[in-house]
Amino acid sequence: EPEVTQTPSHQVTQMGQEVILRCVPISNHLYFYWYRQILGQKVEFLVSFYNNEISEKSEIFDDQFSVERPDGSNFTLKIRSTKLEDSAMYFCASRIDPTGELFFGEGSRLTVL
Amino acid sequence: KNQVEQSPQSLIILEGKNCTLQCNYTVSPFSNLRWYKQDTGRGPVSLTIMTFSENTKSNGRYTATLDADTKQSSLHITASQLSDSASYICVVTDTGTASKLTFGTGTRLQVTL
Repeated sequence: EPEVTQTPSHQVTQMGQEVILRCVPISNHLYFYWYRQILGQKVEFLVSFYNNEISEKSEIFDDQFSVERPDGSNFTLKIRSTKLEDSAMYFCASRIDPTGELFFGEGSRLTVL
Repeated sequence: KNQVEQSPQSLIILEGKNCTLQCNYTVSPFSNLRWYKQDTGRGPVSLTIMTFSENTKSNGRYTATLDADTKQSSLHITASQLSDSASYICVVTDTGTASKLTFGTGTRLQVTL
């Protein structure tokens, strides 16, 4: 069964360092998303991406964050200068159309020290 | 502001018993409501999706109901199994921003022997 894959599963970094989280969405999906979940809290929307551009972003998605689809398969989330409060599980998701079922990856746990 | 509230926050039941989880939302305009199961440290997995016109939908031992008038939904789990232990998250999409889902905080279910 097709699935969304994410790497790394866990990354530990020092405050101020750049981090890139990678996602491979399901191959025929066109809409891509990043969400985050701080430990013990609810899942929060970060950004949606379609047709090689950001379609929506939340207030969390500030200038420190960026997304990119560098090739036909990868979808990346970059955090330029990590802060302690960026520690969370980051989920990539994709779907075939704007209202279809959303498929989540297993998540990348980011720990900022 | 769109909000999704779930109750109870946590629940412990014996294997084989039934349980019902509740979701109240103030998302408008309403597009659809999803229930997700999230195992600890994993990505959410869709259980059901319901649109405005649907009152009930089943997926195996999971049955979701929707009352669009009172803006309430429930997820009923029948004959619980140890593997049902997880967080169950109610997620509502509004028609204005179909790409941005509003997540509830989840109900943490533990099924014990």
